[in-house]
Amino acid sequence: RKEVEQDPGPFNVPEGATVAFNCTYSNSASQSFFWYRQDCRKEPKLLMSVYSSGNEDGRFTAQLNRASQYISLLIRDSKLSDSATYLCVVKGAGNMLTFGGGTRLMVKP
Amino acid sequence: EAEVAQSPRYKITEKSQAVAFWCDPISGHATLYWYRQILGQGPELLVQFQDESVVDDSQLPKDRFSAERLKGVDSTLKIQPAELGDSAMYLCASSLDPTVGYGYTFGSGTRLTVV
Repeated sequence: RKEVEQDPGPFNVPEGATVAFNCTYSNSASQSFFWYRQDCRKEPKLLMSVYSSGNEDGRFTAQLNRASQYISLLIRDSKLSDSATYLCVVKGAGNMLTFGGGTRLMVKP
Repeated sequence: EAEVAQSPRYKITEKSQAVAFWCDPISGHATLYWYRQILGQGPELLVQFQDESVVDDSQLPKDRFSAERLKGVDSTLKIQPAELGDSAMYLCASSLDPTVGYGYTFGSGTRLTVV
């Protein structure tokens, strides 16, 4: 079993739709959690950190459920420019980032 | 905005040849990571440095891969001999303080194709 698992998608949604991605992690000792965005053939870039209390950044909302070892990302009012791969990332011992396989989102006009 | 520099951007090499990638982290970043990303998958850690010391290289295929950061600044990742399965994007990342979650910056990567 992979340490961080995501549905690879692709998720094909129309502009303006709301879409949610989920991620599960296996190491209960994981310390910090993030969502990264990766455009085609580019490097990953931090989208947002994920906190137990939930956090929001504009159209993006992230949630963490430590008991279920589950992380989510909600995107409201999808834009064409949101099309990318979204990587769930967990930081564990030794300050190493462990990436999920990514979920591909395609927003269509 | 400070960047992590990587070169070359693209590399095509023949199977069994040697290949090397270079990374220059953001100035002052003591922690440096090399990741490998196969197309369609997430990045996987190969090696982590703290200054010039290797912190973790448990996932580095040491029969063919080597990494060094001699002066604790820039780093080189080498593959010898290259195999077809090594075709991937090789990403370098650095961090000033990895205890701060958002403090990681990735370079643009080196895309390796082994033919």
